[in-house]
Amino acid sequence: KNEVEQSPQNLTAQEGEFITINCSYSVGISALHWLQQHPGGGIVSLFMLSSGKKKHGRLIATINIQEKHSSLHITASHPRDSAVYICAVGTSGSRLTFGEGTQLTVNP
Amino acid sequence: NAGVTQTPKFRILKIGQSMTLQCTQDMNHNYMYWYRQDPGMGLKLIYYSVGAGITDKGEVPNGYNVSRSTTEDFPLRLELAAPSQTSVYFCASSQNPDTQYFGPGTRLTVL
Repeated sequence: KNEVEQSPQNLTAQEGEFITINCSYSVGISALHWLQQHPGGGIVSLFMLSSGKKKHGRLIATINIQEKHSSLHITASHPRDSAVYICAVGTSGSRLTFGEGTQLTVNP
Repeated sequence: NAGVTQTPKFRILKIGQSMTLQCTQDMNHNYMYWYRQDPGMGLKLIYYSVGAGITDKGEVPNGYNVSRSTTEDFPLRLELAAPSQTSVYFCASSQNPDTQYFGPGTRLTVL
């Protein structure tokens, strides 16, 4: 079993829909990261959080430390949100353990 | 700032050849990382560095070497390329254990 599990693996939505991507982890963590990998391959960091909730534009990330679970929500989804979304957890020091990613496709 | 830059973008190697993947960051970050990404798999840490002169192994270090002689540069060396090293390689940097900034990646094929 991977230390970081994401669901779903693939997600197709219609423009405007509310999207949720889930991440569960099985180890103690210092922080949890959400990243976005563009179709061209580039990776950007969206959020780093260790408790509660963070919001940036239409993106919201939440974490429940007791349940070892995090969610990434996208409100009013748009085709430009189509990408792979990756959950990663910080364990020892600066090292990250990554989930396999969720491929999101938003159709117009 | 250019951020994290990687060269080359693409490379094809023959089995047994050697090459160095270059990574440079201009953000004065202490921490630098090398990852590989295989299709359908999560990123795997190859090597990392917490500062100039200090490097350490990640999850999948076999077949690779690194050096960190300056804060800016963190090259990754493949000595005897094997087909199993066909992958996309990402370099990243961060200031302390914090948000990581990724380079654009190098797509390597070993035939």
